[in-house]
Amino acid sequence: DAGVIQSPRHEVTEMGQEVTLRCKPISGHNSLFWYRQTMMRGLELLIYFNNNVPIDDSGMPEDRFSAKMPNASFSTLKIQPSEPRDSAVYFCASSLARVNQPQHFGDGTRLSIL
Amino acid sequence: KNEVEQSPQNLTAQEGEFITINCSYSVGISALHWLQQHPGGGIVSLFMLSSGKKKHGRLIATINIQEKHSSLHITASHPRDSAVYICAAEGRDDKIIFGKGTRLHILP
Repeated sequence: DAGVIQSPRHEVTEMGQEVTLRCKPISGHNSLFWYRQTMMRGLELLIYFNNNVPIDDSGMPEDRFSAKMPNASFSTLKIQPSEPRDSAVYFCASSLARVNQPQHFGDGTRLSIL
Repeated sequence: KNEVEQSPQNLTAQEGEFITINCSYSVGISALHWLQQHPGGGIVSLFMLSSGKKKHGRLIATINIQEKHSSLHITASHPRDSAVYICAAEGRDDKIIFGKGTRLHILP
């Protein structure tokens, strides 16, 4: 079975550019999560979707970040304009349900903003 | 606000030793997760539990709801167990908070 698929694996871009990260959850999973991991702050939940609907985006750092889930098999996390402090590893995860279900993580996107 | 604390931050042990990693949280939760992050960066969910104990191979996870504490044990540790172990608490408000992780290094 295919796991959670994220792309790209690595992204290096200059500050001010738009960055789009992509995620394909496991088929049949109803919940999708976007996380950010940095050395200073560890793993943080940015936003999660349930049945393609954003439920809690209180973790999104600021208006430069936006996330969409147009259908059950695809989600994007966009940063516009990007800043050097956005450099981190961004993980997408999916699970059968929002609570009390194990989450399956993608391999992450390592983002470097110069 | 839920706080999640892990200890120790770093742990180095010899192959074969029994390992214990601790996780404490401050508010009531609906579930607690243990994750393993390999040196390459990938994250794997090891356990999700809301009471009692779960076992998978050489790994055992326990939780004490009253004491707001969970432990992850590794029996007969092996160098391939070297990784960062992260606990995450799902609060009853649906917020999920992660610990900072425990970096485990098992020496051959």
